[in-house]
Amino acid sequence: DSGVTQTPKHLITATGQRVTLRCSPRSGDLSVYWYQQSLDQGLQFLIQYYNGEERAKGNILERFSAQQFPDLHSELNLSSLELGDSALYFCASSVEGGGGVDEQFFGPGTRLTVL
Amino acid sequence: AQSVTQLGSHVSVSEGALVLLRCNYSSSVPPYLFWYVQYPNQGLQLLLKYTSAATLVKGINGFEAEFKKSETSFHLTKPSAHMSDAAEYFCAVSEGSGGYQKVTFGIGTKLQVIP
Repeated sequence: DSGVTQTPKHLITATGQRVTLRCSPRSGDLSVYWYQQSLDQGLQFLIQYYNGEERAKGNILERFSAQQFPDLHSELNLSSLELGDSALYFCASSVEGGGGVDEQFFGPGTRLTVL
Repeated sequence: AQSVTQLGSHVSVSEGALVLLRCNYSSSVPPYLFWYVQYPNQGLQLLLKYTSAATLVKGINGFEAEFKKSETSFHLTKPSAHMSDAAEYFCAVSEGSGGYQKVTFGIGTKLQVIP
C-alpha cells in the first residue's frame, strides 16, 4: 500500500459525458501527478501540482483539467469524453517534486471505460 | 527533450536465469533515472533510482542497474529470476528543479518467468 488513494476504482460512462477522478496523496506529500496509461500510448504524464499550484504540464488534452485543493487532494476532470479516453488513470505523489529526484508513490488507479 | 527507449516489450526467462531489461535514455542534462515495477492490477512501485552518485545502483528484490554515460544506458539486471518477478517494468527519466518534476516513462517491458 503506497498511501495514495484514488476513487473511484472503476468508472463506466458514455461518450460526451464528464467525469471527475479523485486522488488523496500520502500524508505530508506536497506534489501530485496525474498519468494516463493505455495500451497504445503507454504511460503518459499529464500534469503536476505542487502545493496547490500547477507546476508541470505534459500531454494533457484541453478537454482535461485538474486542480489541487488546500488539503492537497487533487481532482482530474475529463469532459466531452471520447472512446479513446478509455484508459487507466494514475495519480502519484511525492514529498516535494523538486530537483527531479523525488520518488513518486503511485495510487492503484482508476479504470475509465467510455462506451 | 528527454526520452526513454526500452528494447523488448516482452522478455521471457527461465526461473533462476539472469534477468536483463534494457533501457536507453536521451537527455539534454545529466539525467535522473528510475526503474519502476507494476504488478497486475496495481500501481507502479519504485525499484531503484540513479541520481549521479554511484553508477551501480542497488534496488529492492535483488535488482540492480548500471548507469553508463558513454552508452546512454541504464539496464536493469537480476542474477536469478524468481516467479514473483513476473510483472511489467518501466524505465523513466526525470527532469526538474524547485517544485517542478516531469517524468518520462518508457513503453514498458513485460517480464515472463517460466518455471
